[in-house]
Amino acid sequence: AQSVTQLGSHVSVSEGALVLLRCNYSSSVPPYLFWYVQYPNQGLQLLLKYTSAATLVKGINGFEAEFKKSETSFHLTKPSAHMSDAAEYFCAVSPGNTPLVFGKGTRLSVIA
Amino acid sequence: ETGVTQSPTHLIKTRGQQVTLRCSSQSGHNTVSWYQQALGQGPQFIFQYYREEENGRGNFPPRFSGLQFPNYSSELNVNALELDDSALYLCASSPRQGAGYGYTFGSGTRLTVV
Repeated sequence: AQSVTQLGSHVSVSEGALVLLRCNYSSSVPPYLFWYVQYPNQGLQLLLKYTSAATLVKGINGFEAEFKKSETSFHLTKPSAHMSDAAEYFCAVSPGNTPLVFGKGTRLSVIA
Repeated sequence: ETGVTQSPTHLIKTRGQQVTLRCSSQSGHNTVSWYQQALGQGPQFIFQYYREEENGRGNFPPRFSGLQFPNYSSELNVNALELDDSALYLCASSPRQGAGYGYTFGSGTRLTVV
């Protein structure tokens, strides 16, 4: 069965600092991996997805994530945080023909 | 192209009542999934419909049921509402079955059961 662990339910960074949100997954077959962002009282917006092409995936709003099979990780990074990045971030996994399995989310706060 | 739209945006129901939530898929998408997101949690898969047939279900009781229509819009029905059913319900559509095609999520319906 697939599972996702997001380390840190809350991460706080200063504006302009590096953002690092951690995601480790468990999957019996090569997975598809996703990062979604959720702003208050809104649905989920796709930031980026890994579908077995390049291991370094670039997404919207300057975010990127690197798939590391040996570490079963798919951490999300952004070089410089903006105030508008404050939101809830979810990592999700699917082996392919099964639905997405989400982590519990990480709330990102950006301090001015 | 239009995205995924859900209605209503907010709903308050009494325990024991029944509720119907609606979802219009993104144009060209024939697969619809429903997720329940409790407060402070990640979304949990309820079920998926492909060409009007349910073809996957999560760990939810039978009082959670759904429909998909020929135009690929969808409904989620919940009978005998319980307090724990209070959550954000998210609909997601995909152009085909399979996670590799990606999912587009709607903004959700916030259900409160009192």
